[in-house]
Amino acid sequence: EPEVTQTPSHQVTQMGQEVILRCVPISNHLYFYWYRQILGQKVEFLVSFYNNEISEKSEIFDDQFSVERPDGSNFTLKIRSTKLEDSAMYFCASSVTGENEKLFFGSGTQLSVL
Amino acid sequence: AQRVTQPEKLLSVFKGAPVELKCNYSYSGSPELFWYVQYSRQRLQLLLRHISRESIKGFTADLNKGETSFHLKKPFAQEEDSAMYYCALTYSNTGKLIFGQGTTLQVKP
Repeated sequence: EPEVTQTPSHQVTQMGQEVILRCVPISNHLYFYWYRQILGQKVEFLVSFYNNEISEKSEIFDDQFSVERPDGSNFTLKIRSTKLEDSAMYFCASSVTGENEKLFFGSGTQLSVL
Repeated sequence: AQRVTQPEKLLSVFKGAPVELKCNYSYSGSPELFWYVQYSRQRLQLLLRHISRESIKGFTADLNKGETSFHLKKPFAQEEDSAMYYCALTYSNTGKLIFGQGTTLQVKP
């Protein structure tokens, strides 16, 4: 079965640094998402992306965050100036359509901000 | 506001025992409800969705709109069912899922 791929699996960075988390969604999927899970807390929606633009974003997704699909395969999440509270597991997901269907999740990137 | 509540952080049962993982939601409209599962060292994956009315790996879940619940059930637990289970709802067509806190199911031999 095709899978969503995320790199790196672990990322350690200093507070204030920029990080880019990378994802390769399933090739025929059109909708892409980022979620995050702070240790011990719920999985939280960050953003959904379709047709090269954000279709919905949460309150968490402030100006420090951005997403991009720089080519036909990658989907990236950039955090411009990381804060300690950005430490979390970040999950990328994709789906064929956005209409209440199955999301395919990547295995996650564990981001640690020191 | 939309919310999903899973009251149990940990549910521990013996193999062969019935399992019920509780999920309650708050949403005034008609949401779509899902159960996702995460086995040890694996990715989150869909277990079942209420509109499919299917049984996956012996698990079923019925949407009870009166009680705003979507409890996950299995009559006889197996050791390989040990995992983290997340209840989630969506109400938009943007794929946004609202997750519960998750329940760790531990099935003892």
